[in-house]
Amino acid sequence: EVQLLESGGGLVQPGGSLSLSCAASGFTFVNCAMTWVRQAPGKGLEWVSVINASGGSRFYADSVKGRFTISRDNSKNTLYLQMNSLRVEDTAVYYCAKLPFLELSPYYFDYWGQGTLVTVSS
Amino acid sequence: QTVVTQEPSFSVSPGGTVTLTCGLSSGSVSTSYYPSWYQQTPGQAPRTLIYSTNTRSFGVPDRFSGSILGNKAALTITGAQADDESDYYCVLYMGSGIWVFGGGTKLTVL
Repeated sequence: EVQLLESGGGLVQPGGSLSLSCAASGFTFVNCAMTWVRQAPGKGLEWVSVINASGGSRFYADSVKGRFTISRDNSKNTLYLQMNSLRVEDTAVYYCAKLPFLELSPYYFDYWGQGTLVTVSS
Repeated sequence: QTVVTQEPSFSVSPGGTVTLTCGLSSGSVSTSYYPSWYQQTPGQAPRTLIYSTNTRSFGVPDRFSGSILGNKAALTITGAQADDESDYYCVLYMGSGIWVFGGGTKLTVL
């Protein structure tokens, strides 16, 4: 059974940093691209970032580019999201999700974690 | 700035058929955008329904179907059931490693 377990969420002040983790099990992590999607309270889903299986290709939404960094440790079956210069509008539940193959094609997310809440507030 | 559009809300009677759409603020949605659809109930993680326009994800009943209708992607639910009452999101692949979600449609079954 595919399991994705996010952790690392919490309360942080504007301008601060936070690192999220997503522990993966039940599938061959090294064979799958991974992504982060967030959802602000009462709002819709927003795609944040994606990384291919090798970690050699990474892409970001304009809203987080230059502030967030996606990475992965295939030896630990873990996906990360380093978030710097956090803003109030980054407050959201952050979901990790897997893609079905090594690269981004066929461009969809097949399994999702339960999410971790990040609150940016003074 | 590309905006992906969805109906904010829709209602359907039990047993009825409903079609939700996913468009672009400028231009037409085609299969080249690899539209996919996700269902989310309050407090839960999204569930994958449809990918690559019209392929059902594993375990999704065949009363959910995807298509291109005119210049939009579409999700059709045939024989709606009470537990289909959820938020539905489409997402389009814009190329260059970028996805954009629609704002979601809140479906009521009553």
